[in-house]
Amino acid sequence: DAKTTQPPSMDCAEGRAANLPCNHSTISGNEYVYWYRQIHSQGPQYIIHGLKNNETNEMASLIITEDRKSSTLILPHATLRDTAVYYCIVRVSSSYGGSQGNLIFGKGTKLSVKP
Amino acid sequence: DAGVIQSPRHEVTEMGQEVTLRCKPISGHNSLFWYRQTMMRGLELLIYFNNNVPIDDSGMPEDRFSAKMPNASFSTLKIQPSEPRDSAVYFCASSFYRDNQPQHFGDGTRLSIL
Repeated sequence: DAKTTQPPSMDCAEGRAANLPCNHSTISGNEYVYWYRQIHSQGPQYIIHGLKNNETNEMASLIITEDRKSSTLILPHATLRDTAVYYCIVRVSSSYGGSQGNLIFGKGTKLSVKP
Repeated sequence: DAGVIQSPRHEVTEMGQEVTLRCKPISGHNSLFWYRQTMMRGLELLIYFNNNVPIDDSGMPEDRFSAKMPNASFSTLKIQPSEPRDSAVYFCASSFYRDNQPQHFGDGTRLSIL
């Protein structure tokens, strides 16, 4: 699985959009980009994932560059409860649609949302 | 909807004792994963099951660790005998056994071995 690079920390003002970047320059064609977050003392929480196209759900938007070498997670209106460590993970899509395999968590980005 | 349920939430025990961690996956999910999180090593996969069958246990640190999944709604992770270096937060996650389906995590068991 390709490695990812994320800034160690970011600040965001409450109510503003939080844009979290992730570099995955060695990503291959069959690898998906996943985003999780971990709020202190809780389990990692799935946010969103995508392959090529931009994705949006009730939590966030995922913007993947055309060359797929980087992506940005967007929290449109950050709240204090969004303060967490955000993980960007790339994982290969199995050709036979079978086993899930490993999610390799790096150090992530610690997002601090401030009033 | 009920998420992944782990028990106990906290466990404190003395070195040498047997420890059993329990996990109930999300109903309908047929892949189950055990992870361990420490400050030094971060989150690392220990073992995962598909349809109750262990697929990859290469992350299990030693023979002292064992995991079972007797049915689709229950799994255990056992440490016998426990050692202080086993102190960590242990997470269970589950997903559909289908390509690219995300894993959903429980809130973990915080284990302290004295």
